[in-house]
Amino acid sequence: EPEVTQTPSHQVTQMGQEVILRCVPISNHLYFYWYRQILGQKVEFLVSFYNNEISEKSEIFDDQFSVERPDGSNFTLKIRSTKLEDSAMYFCASSEVTVRNTGELFFGEGSRLTVL
Amino acid sequence: LAKTTQPISMDSYEGQEVNITCSHNNIATNDYITWYQQFPSQGPRFIIQGYKTKVTNEVASLFIPADRKSSTLSLPRVSLSDTAVYYCLVGAAGGFKTIFGAGTRLFVKA
Repeated sequence: EPEVTQTPSHQVTQMGQEVILRCVPISNHLYFYWYRQILGQKVEFLVSFYNNEISEKSEIFDDQFSVERPDGSNFTLKIRSTKLEDSAMYFCASSEVTVRNTGELFFGEGSRLTVL
Repeated sequence: LAKTTQPISMDSYEGQEVNITCSHNNIATNDYITWYQQFPSQGPRFIIQGYKTKVTNEVASLFIPADRKSSTLSLPRVSLSDTAVYYCLVGAAGGFKTIFGAGTRLFVKA
């Protein structure tokens, strides 16, 4: 069964450092998303991406964050200067666009970011 | 986006049927109702989606009354491995922004 893959599974970084989280969405999917989940809290929407541009973003997704699809397979989330409060699990998701689009999101296993 | 309200937690025993109800009073005409399941340290996983009446798949059933202001996820004969958080979401299918609420934490006991 096709799946969304994310790397790294866990990254530890110092406050102020740049971090890039990588995702490989399911190959025929055209919509891509990043979500985050702080330990013990709910899943929060960050950004959606379609046709090589951001479709929608939340108030969490400020100038520290950026997304990119550098090639035909990867979808990345960059955090320019990490803060302690960026520590969370980051989930990538993708969805397929078809005539009968169900809006089903396929999530990866997540990348745990720890900022010290 | 329609706001959803679910119980914070529920307990059940193995072999029982579990029904989790979600309220979404402000659901719009073109909104679908979708349920996801999340195990600890894993991404949410799609369970079922519906628009009205009843939908059934190999995992669950979804009951939606005529006014669509609520929906009930039914898990037949739960097992310990069904212990997870269950999220009810309401929004336009294929929309760019899917918002998760707090979810319902289901504990299945032996």
